[in-house]
Amino acid sequence: GEDVEQSLFLSVREGDSSVINCTYTDSSSTYLYWYKQEPGAGLQLLTYIFSNMDMKQDQRLTVLLNKKDKHLSLRIADTQTGDSAIYFCAERGGADGLTFGKGTHLIIQP
Amino acid sequence: DVKVTQSSRYLVKRTGEKVFLECVQDMDHENMFWYRQDPGLGLRLIYFSYDVKMKEKGDIPEGYSVSREKKERFSLILESASTNQTSMYLCASSPVGQGAPYEQYFGPGTRLTVT
Repeated sequence: GEDVEQSLFLSVREGDSSVINCTYTDSSSTYLYWYKQEPGAGLQLLTYIFSNMDMKQDQRLTVLLNKKDKHLSLRIADTQTGDSAIYFCAERGGADGLTFGKGTHLIIQP
Repeated sequence: DVKVTQSSRYLVKRTGEKVFLECVQDMDHENMFWYRQDPGLGLRLIYFSYDVKMKEKGDIPEGYSVSREKKERFSLILESASTNQTSMYLCASSPVGQGAPYEQYFGPGTRLTVT
């Protein structure tokens, strides 16, 4: 079945770049997503990438997709304290919805 | 802006009680979803609905039922609450469309504690 894997924690220093990695198993995925969840809040779509793209950049965010290895990454440049959150990778495979990873807690050290 | 609202942010219920969690979306979305979120387990899909009165089981439907009588409202029902249903419950909605990014819009969540 579909599976999305990501590490549970990432700790970076303020001002450095954060790279959150994700692997997925469904090769028919059409879209891949990064959601952000701030403390006490629901999930908010951060960015997405269509499966025929390799890279997408949006201000401080860069998404890289390696379709051959089924690997997705989210790079946050110049990480700030406001970036502290849980980041979920998700894929859209079949028609029934999204499959989410377990989420990566991004911890910012001063 | 799309808005998904959930009836309560925090709820405390006793074991054996019947619990209703309500979700309302204001963007005329066809699809609605109920997830539960637990530490270390991420989001797990309980049920989803792709139309009024239609429902499909997700990954963990046991102990839950749902109701969708109107397009904008999707209810999650715990027939007899148990302590292992203590969790954060998230509702989401999404439109249907070919080639669309298929974004799911989430509510703020209901933190349910069953004692």
